[in-house]
Amino acid sequence: SQQGEEDPQALSIQEGENATMNCSYKTSINNLQWYRQNSGRGLVHLILIRSNEREKHSGRLRVTLDTSKKSSSLLITASRAADTASYFCATAQDTNAGKSTFGDGTTLTVKP
Amino acid sequence: EAQVTQNPRYLITVTGKKLTVTCSQNMNHEYMSWYRQDPGLGLRQIYYSMNVEVTDKGDVPEGYKVSRKEKRNFPLILESPSPNQTSLYFCASRGRAGNSPLHFGNGTRLTVT
Repeated sequence: SQQGEEDPQALSIQEGENATMNCSYKTSINNLQWYRQNSGRGLVHLILIRSNEREKHSGRLRVTLDTSKKSSSLLITASRAADTASYFCATAQDTNAGKSTFGDGTTLTVKP
Repeated sequence: EAQVTQNPRYLITVTGKKLTVTCSQNMNHEYMSWYRQDPGLGLRQIYYSMNVEVTDKGDVPEGYKVSRKEKRNFPLILESPSPNQTSLYFCASRGRAGNSPLHFGNGTRLTVT
């Protein structure tokens, strides 16, 4: 079964608004990563947060991690039409660095 | 240019006809992995390799084989494809450290009739 689960499954917003996506996971992790996928293409790495970090920023991206709740959120500020894509969280297990588990993804549509 | 190259991009085949999807990376990465992506199921890990001659099962290894004879190549082999293996397949690689980001290929869309 998938370790990571994102919500919402789909999100539609206007350009300029902020988009927040959430991810929950089940087991102890070493780190959590967020990826972006444009329509059937390969995934592109956005940001990584380690298990001992609580918040991380990269440009318009802000990621939080709450290990007590086993959850993470990705915030995209001042969204643009070009941010339209699917976003996935991925976890690397604490006990097995080789196994990576992806969530089902959030499909974000940003309307111009 | 640093990249992960998968071939072919599209493949249509018939049940039972052995096929191989190739994956090659030019970043000298130790770790490589295969995933399949199906609607509503996200990406599921098939097999991964921590280094040359070391391979391990992911979450959905049934019906697949892999080999890692060289560092740069990690082919995915379907000995006897079945229609339930129709999917979008991705190869990815990363450095040795578990907190290295994955680099993905552009995918192989496989249809088994």
